[in-house]
Order: sequence, then C-alpha cells, then structure tokens
Amino acid sequence: EIVMTQSPATLSVSPGERATLSCRASQSVSSNLAWYQQKPGQAPRLLIYGASTRATGIPARFSGSGSGTEFTLTISSLQSEDFAVYYCQQYNNWPTFGQGTKVEIK
Amino acid sequence: EVQLLESGGGLVQPGGSLRLSCAASGFTFSSYAMSWVRQAPGKGLEWVSAISGSGGSTYYADSVKGRFTISRDNSKNTLYLQMNSLRAEDTAVYYCATTSFLTGYPSTDYWGQGTLVTVSS
Repeated sequence: EIVMTQSPATLSVSPGERATLSCRASQSVSSNLAWYQQKPGQAPRLLIYGASTRATGIPARFSGSGSGTEFTLTISSLQSEDFAVYYCQQYNNWPTFGQGTKVEIK
Repeated sequence: EVQLLESGGGLVQPGGSLRLSCAASGFTFSSYAMSWVRQAPGKGLEWVSAISGSGGSTYYADSVKGRFTISRDNSKNTLYLQMNSLRAEDTAVYYCATTSFLTGYPSTDYWGQGTLVTVSS
C-alpha cells in the first residue's frame, strides 16, 4: 500500500494570503495524484488531477505541482469559501488518501 | 449536471447486512466505472470498491474483500453495495463516485453526498 502523508495537519491563513499544502508518497506515484476539497457535511470535490490539471470549474487560484513522491497544492489568494479540509490521493496503484490538511482562518 | 444520490444507510448490528444504492443522473451511466469510498466519523477517506461500466469487472479493498459486493443495474442507472458480516469498523459515511481507470487503477471524479452506515449493538 502506498502511504500518503500530508503536512501540515492544520494551516492557519488570513483571507487573501497564499496557502501551500504538501503531500508526500511513500513511493513514486508518477503524476497520478489528485487533490480534493471537503467542507463540513459535504462530499469531497475534485480540484486537481494529474498532479497539476485543474478539474472543470475550479478557479485558477488553485494550482498543483510535483511528481514522483513530492506534491504541492497552492491556493494563491485565499477566499472565504476556501477554508476547508484538503486531501491528496494517489491512483498510481490501488487508491490511497492522505490524512488531510485543514485550512482554517487565522 | 452529474448527480449521484446515495441511500440505504442506517443502524445495523455487528454481523448484519445492509445494501446501499446510488442513483445516477446527468450522464451516460453505463459508460462510466463507479466506486464506493467511505469516511469513518472524523477520519480520512478510504477507497472501498470499484466496478467497470459494464459491470463485468469488480475490485475491492482488502478490508472488505469477501464481505462486500459491488454491482450495478445500467437499465436503472443505479449502483449498489451489498455489505455482509458488518463490523464496528465499517461505520462510516459511504460515498459513490464516478471513476476513471486511466492508469489501470481507479481514480474518482464526481461524488455523491453520502449515506451513513452505523454498525453497533
């Protein structure tokens, strides 16, 4: 099983600031990495797939980068609706998720 | 617009059974693989099972293999998850999701709102 590790567990950011979230895989997953956003009581929403491709309708302030074992999700200027939990997921093998990073208002 | 609506969750005793359903609309259901993913209360996400668009191929996480069965009825645009021999650790919100196999392994796209399964005596 490929273990996905996200950091930090919680990120406190002010609206308008930049947020950088990290995800590390226990072995290479190539670019087969997705990011999801989940708000309380809601289903996860696909943000990024292929490590860097935004899903349909996702604003340009969300960007993904990385390959192999190290990945980053960047939110360039946090909006109020962006405060949520973010999960990375690899699909280079049977899918596994990171434990999530909570982005909270500072 | 893709819509996925899960149902069938509830309270069940350990060792019991439950069948979840996921009604799909807004896309050509038979053309898409589908998955079930679960989330234990306050915890992260765990992929559970996937099925090809035709229903001819099925896949399971080791944690549910032999106890859960995924199936679909393309004439009814509905996905199912039959859960037997339920354990306390199966307690979770169960989501259905559209799925791609671009890498040979499932990746999920659109998700439903989920249905809660509680296994407790």
